[in-house]
Amino acid sequence: SYVLTQPPSVSVAPGQTARLTCGGNNIGSKTVHWFQQKPGQAPVLVIYYDSDRPSGSPDRFSGSNSGNTATLTISRVEAGDEADYFCQVWESSSDEFVFGTGTKVTVL
Amino acid sequence: QVQLVQSGAEVKKPGSSVKVSCKASGGTFNNSALSWVRQAPGQGLEWMGRIVPLTDVTNYAQKFQGRVTIIADKFTDTAHMELSSLRSEDSALYYCVREGVRLGELYTYMDVWGTGTTVTVSS
Repeated sequence: SYVLTQPPSVSVAPGQTARLTCGGNNIGSKTVHWFQQKPGQAPVLVIYYDSDRPSGSPDRFSGSNSGNTATLTISRVEAGDEADYFCQVWESSSDEFVFGTGTKVTVL
Repeated sequence: QVQLVQSGAEVKKPGSSVKVSCKASGGTFNNSALSWVRQAPGQGLEWMGRIVPLTDVTNYAQKFQGRVTIIADKFTDTAHMELSSLRSEDSALYYCVREGVRLGELYTYMDVWGTGTTVTVSS
């Protein structure tokens, strides 16, 4: 089955840039979505179709996808960005959604 | 904006089954697909399966094949997920999630998450 690997944790100071990676075999050929999940809340879509922001997602969030790595970039990090972040793809060979392992972002 | 309202928390014995419902409020499923995703305490997100209510076509994660059944009633905009042969590892928060699709795109994204249903499996 298809596996998406994310670093367990990333720490970043306020105002700095956080780069969260999502690794998968030839993930660049797939469509990647990113979710933010705060404690006790349902996930919220922050980036879809690799690099686009849905309505309501701050412009500090951006995404890219190439080769074996997709990246979610959070610019000018704020305390409110502290959350878990999950990447997701549709694996067409098995007709399944796959989630990444998740990254916990800590704002120092 | 449509909301997805799920049924209440469940406590089940190992080996039994649980059925969780999900009803659209303030809107309909329309032509959308509906997925079920679960999250064990302190763990990540796990996709279980999906249904397209308009056609009743389903896809299930290989891990849950034979143990999960997803049905939908497009006339009442209600979907149900039944998981059988429950074990302690199935204790989790279960979400139904509506899938949206951007015009011109082939693949969907998850845009509306349900209220969540906690299932506890314990003897």
